[in-house]
Formats: sequence, C-alpha cells, structure tokens
Amino acid sequence: GQQLNQSPQSMFIQEGEDVSMNCTSSSIFNTWLWYKQDPGEGPVLLIALYKAGELTSNGRLTAQFGITRKDSFLNISASIPSDVGIYFCAGQPPRMNRDDKIIFGKGTRLHILP
Amino acid sequence: GAGVSQSPSNKVTEKGKDVELRCDPISGHTALYWYRQSLGQGLEFLIYFQGNSAPDKSGLPSDRFSAERTGGSVSTLTIQRTQQEDSAVYLCASSFGPYNSPLHFGNGTRLTVT
Repeated sequence: GQQLNQSPQSMFIQEGEDVSMNCTSSSIFNTWLWYKQDPGEGPVLLIALYKAGELTSNGRLTAQFGITRKDSFLNISASIPSDVGIYFCAGQPPRMNRDDKIIFGKGTRLHILP
Repeated sequence: GAGVSQSPSNKVTEKGKDVELRCDPISGHTALYWYRQSLGQGLEFLIYFQGNSAPDKSGLPSDRFSAERTGGSVSTLTIQRTQQEDSAVYLCASSFGPYNSPLHFGNGTRLTVT
C-alpha cells in the first residue's frame, strides 16, 4: 500500500529555534493534513491543505502542499515549550484510487532542550 | 460535547478476557477510523468505515479483533481473548465525508492487559 515517509523521526532543539519537518511519498495525494499530539490526548488538527502549491499559516505554523503532490512540509517558527509533542503528517490519495483512505506518517517527536 | 467521544478512557483487563471499546463520532460524520498506538509510537491503522460501504478491515492484526458501526454512528471495537501485546491506546477518528475532510480524533482508550 501507499506509505508516507516522515522526517526527522526526532528533533532536539533550543527554545526560540525554528523547526522544519516533512513528509514524502512515491505516489500523489489530494489532501495533506498536519496534526499535533500531546501526551494522553488524541492528535489535533493543525493545518489542512487541499491544493497543490498551497501555502497555509496558522500562527507560528506554516505548511505547504508540494507542487508535485508527493510531499508536504511543516515549519514552526520561534519554538516555545508548549510546542513539544508528536507531529503527524497525513495524506489522502485521489478519489480514483481503489484505496483512498487517509494514511499517516510515523511522526516527528519534538523535544525542547532546557 | 461536540467532539469525538471514546469510552472507557482506561481499561484494565486480564489476559484472555474480551473487551469492548466504544466510539461516538461527531454527529453527521460518515467516515470513522480506528487506530492503535503503542507508547510513543505512530498510529497503526485498524479499520475504516465509510457510510454504508463495506468496511476496510485490512489493518486488523488478527481475527481476535472486530468492529461494528451501528446505524452509521456509534462504533464498537471488540478484542477477544486479549493478550498482553494488545496493550496500547486505541484511538477513534471521524470526518464529515470521505474526501477533503480532515479527521477529528477522540482522546482514546488506554487498554492494559495484565
């Protein structure tokens, strides 16, 4: 089946640094989603992207739907302690695909050094 | 509340017992997914319901796992003869439609098999 390759798997940064993570695939997607999960909770939607080339911001977060439709990135500017958590990308293949369910990357674990 | 509701939030059971986990999706959402998440790990897809279509059961790890969705709303995930390796957080998510609609997650059921 289709897979999403999310990287990096973990990040250790200083407070105030900018963060960048991405997801890639060998096949195209019609939708890209980015989620954040805090301990003990379910993932929460950060940004949804529906159009190739789309660049969307949500506060300090910016995400882009790659022009090839095979990748997406998420940037976090000026990180703060509450940014700690697991970030997941998710994508949905085109409607024409036999298997069109939403699939998830394995997550990027963001740690902020004291 | 207006979000996805899962119950119980925690479940401790003895090895060999059956358990039922419940998910109440957001009203009007036609798509419903179940995922399993081990500590600090990614989201393992289990099963996907969309409207009246036959569910996608391709992620169920064994025949001890089954799920139903009654009346297109509430879903129950059943694990028979539980094993210690079934211990994990089971997450449910729903979306308004099958396409161009992001998933909204519940906070999960933490299952511990002793």
